[in-house]
Amino acid sequence: GQNIDQPTEMTATEGAIVQINCTYQTSGFNGLFWYQQHAGEAPTFLSYNVLDGLEEKGRFSSFLSRSKGYSYLLLKELQMKDSASYLCAVRFFSGGYNKLIFGAGTRLAVHP
Amino acid sequence: ETGVTQTPRHLVMGMTNKKSLKCEQHLGHNAMYWYKQSAKKPLELMFVYSLEERVENNSVPSRFSPECPNSSHLFLHLHTLQPEDSALYLCASSQGVDIDTQYFGPGTRLTVL
Repeated sequence: GQNIDQPTEMTATEGAIVQINCTYQTSGFNGLFWYQQHAGEAPTFLSYNVLDGLEEKGRFSSFLSRSKGYSYLLLKELQMKDSASYLCAVRFFSGGYNKLIFGAGTRLAVHP
Repeated sequence: ETGVTQTPRHLVMGMTNKKSLKCEQHLGHNAMYWYKQSAKKPLELMFVYSLEERVENNSVPSRFSPECPNSSHLFLHLHTLQPEDSALYLCASSQGVDIDTQYFGPGTRLTVL
């Protein structure tokens, strides 16, 4: 079966760095996405990893290790507006095409 | 970001009502999706459409009936729902069903009384 685990909640201080972990068990792995979702709003795309290593995009970076079934999202210079849920999603090949499953999300609270 | 729009944003309905959710994408994508998001649960994929053809029905009860008249519009028709169907219903689209990045609408917050 397919499974994704990520912490339910995290807190961090404005200006600090936070790392949100995601572990997964899937067959046919074909990429990992991170989305940000503010309360009551649509999930918005943050990053995509398909090869091992670090992808950096401004204050956000995402890391993938396929052999370990592990990814993390790194947020630097935290701002209050970064308070949101962060969703890890894994793409896998099944039934003739790629599919996507989501973790339950990590709710991040940034405080002054 | 107004690439994917959904109406209504909020809906309250009784168990005997019939209502429809609407999604429209302005991105020129060929694949559209319905998801259900319940509190503290992962997004659950409900339906996938590629070029107006349904390619996946993820064991969704028949009280949810999707319709995709063209590649820009997607509907979810609702009838005789249960209180446990109360959730945020999200529409998404992607370039192709082979799943490039999905872009989400703001969702419809549904409450079933």
